[in-house]
Amino acid sequence: DGGITQSPKYLFRKEGQNVTLSCEQNLNHDAMYWYRQDPGQGLRLIYYSQIVNDFQKGDIAEGYSVSREKKESFPLTVTSAQKNPTAFYLCASSTLGGGDEQFFGPGTRLTVL
Amino acid sequence: RKEVEQDPGPFNVPEGATVAFNCTYSNSASQSFFWYRQDCRKEPKLLMSVYSSGNEDGRFTAQLNRASQYISLLIRDSKLSDSATYLCVVNPQDNYGQNFVFGPGTRLSVLP
Repeated sequence: DGGITQSPKYLFRKEGQNVTLSCEQNLNHDAMYWYRQDPGQGLRLIYYSQIVNDFQKGDIAEGYSVSREKKESFPLTVTSAQKNPTAFYLCASSTLGGGDEQFFGPGTRLTVL
Repeated sequence: RKEVEQDPGPFNVPEGATVAFNCTYSNSASQSFFWYRQDCRKEPKLLMSVYSSGNEDGRFTAQLNRASQYISLLIRDSKLSDSATYLCVVNPQDNYGQNFVFGPGTRLSVLP
């Protein structure tokens, strides 16, 4: 079955540590996205990529980094510079242009201890 | 003005009720529109795309008014399972390639 996978589902991190969240898709989509969602809030865009080896900052990129070495993969690193990283992180993918819908992975819930 | 705004909610309605959600968007060049449903602590899932002529899927009807930059979602004969947060999503078609802008969501609780 085609879809998006994210791992891990739950992640705990100590303050000051970097952590990498995995996102893989087998939908052959060119575009991939990372969002952050805080309790009771909407989705905020962290980074997006429309092609391999290229990515763009979203609204809240500070303290995060990404890479896009393969079309299928778009990992997100939450660095120690992110002041308040506890949140629900969602990865999505879509065809280019935005005419078709986005598909979401199941999300990773990150908690900083 | 935020790019995409929705009714603040929450909406608490009895089973069988009809409920309507509204969404407005600021970018008149926007071309694609969607309604997503998000259950608590889950990922958003597409409920329906919104077409210029309006579209219906069972108990759900979506309407688009480009002149007023307004999208609506109507749910008829509400079921308990309709309880969720409904997200309005707009493709601004801007030069930044950021294809999707999400509204903050409207929470619906259908009560027995």
